[in-house]
Amino acid sequence: DTEVTQTPKHLVMGMTNKKSLKCEQHMGHRAMYWYKQKAKKPPELMFVYSYEKLSINESVPSRFSPECPNSSLLNLHLHALQPEDSALYLCASSHDRTPPLHFGNGTRLTVT
Amino acid sequence: GQQLNQSPQSMFIQEGEDVSMNCTSSSIFNTWLWYKQDPGEGPVLLIALYKAGELTSNGRLTAQFGITRKDSFLNISASIPSDVGIYFCAGQLNDMRFGAGTRLTVKP
Repeated sequence: DTEVTQTPKHLVMGMTNKKSLKCEQHMGHRAMYWYKQKAKKPPELMFVYSYEKLSINESVPSRFSPECPNSSLLNLHLHALQPEDSALYLCASSHDRTPPLHFGNGTRLTVT
Repeated sequence: GQQLNQSPQSMFIQEGEDVSMNCTSSSIFNTWLWYKQDPGEGPVLLIALYKAGELTSNGRLTAQFGITRKDSFLNISASIPSDVGIYFCAGQLNDMRFGAGTRLTVKP
């Protein structure tokens, strides 16, 4: 069982919907990450939070909006997504920003 | 940018055979990591390497951090069917980047 918990496991949403992905860890890690993974591709970094502050945004479109309410929680708010945004969204955490990263099992997102 | 070249792209081997895969980069990294990903799950850490030249084992897995800090390899000895999956190398400098993955198939 992973120590990084992501909900929901699966999400289907229309292009006009607003939804949120949630991630939680209780390992005391102070860095949290969002990665996007398309089928048969490696995970691609989207956002990094360090001590609850956004430290890296990899030029992600504004229809993805991250939020870190506290050191244990990370959200990804989704609005007006496109079908090409369908992917596995992975959350990860690490102690400070030093490796290794521990991953959750992801949210499989389908945009219709 | 921090491009990682992972090879081979895929491997089809017989149970009991040894496996070797590697990653190279034009950039140096401070840390090399190897992950395995099964379908429908997130990547799981296999081995982390923190020092150039470091050789680390985890059961049947052995990985090395290249002396130039630009490469790493992963060996799996005496493969078993549950070794099937996608293996990713990852290098960390300012943030972590993944190689393209090696898809391993093990025939019983």
